[in-house]
Amino acid sequence: ELKVEQNPLFLSMQEGKNYTIYCNYSTTSDRLYWYRQDPGKSLESLFVLLSNGAVKQEGRLMASLDTKARLSTLHITAAVHDLSATYFCAVDSLLTGNQFYFGTGTSLTVIP
Amino acid sequence: DVKVTQSSRYLVKRTGEKVFLECVQDMDHENMFWYRQDPGLGLRLIYFSYDVKMKEKGDIPEGYSVSREKKERFSLILESASTNQTSMYLCASIGRVYGYTFGSGTRLTVV
Repeated sequence: ELKVEQNPLFLSMQEGKNYTIYCNYSTTSDRLYWYRQDPGKSLESLFVLLSNGAVKQEGRLMASLDTKARLSTLHITAAVHDLSATYFCAVDSLLTGNQFYFGTGTSLTVIP
Repeated sequence: DVKVTQSSRYLVKRTGEKVFLECVQDMDHENMFWYRQDPGLGLRLIYFSYDVKMKEKGDIPEGYSVSREKKERFSLILESASTNQTSMYLCASIGRVYGYTFGSGTRLTVV
């Protein structure tokens, strides 16, 4: 069974601090996606990582992918309140066509 | 940008009603998906479709059906709504490079 695990599930951090969210997956995949969800809203695409070693950055968020370790990280630099949201990673398995498998999500709260 | 449009943001329906949730995408994608999202349970796949008139069951298809008569439109049908189908419903369309694009979601309450 394909599994996508995120940790931590809940994260409370102070403004200005750095932290990393981890996403481990159990299938062979060279594509990993990060999404953000605000309360009561839908999921919004953040990053698409398409190959081993890929690194993408947008503002205070940076995502990376290590396909050999089956690990992706989402690093938060100098957190601000606006980053409070739930973050999901997802992989699409080469074995199951186009279906995506989502992690459980990490609920991030940035405290002033 | 791909747009995925869900017809309703909020719906309140009575137990036993037949409910239609509509989803339209504008990028000519073959694959479309319906998920439901509940607190503590994450996203669960209900049905997906990889072509017109084609459908596949996801992880929790019971109590639901779908219709894909046109490529751009994928409808989720609750044959007889029940209170345990109160949830946030998310439609998505997929492109290989950009992954899923989600609609804005429909929050359905069954009373």
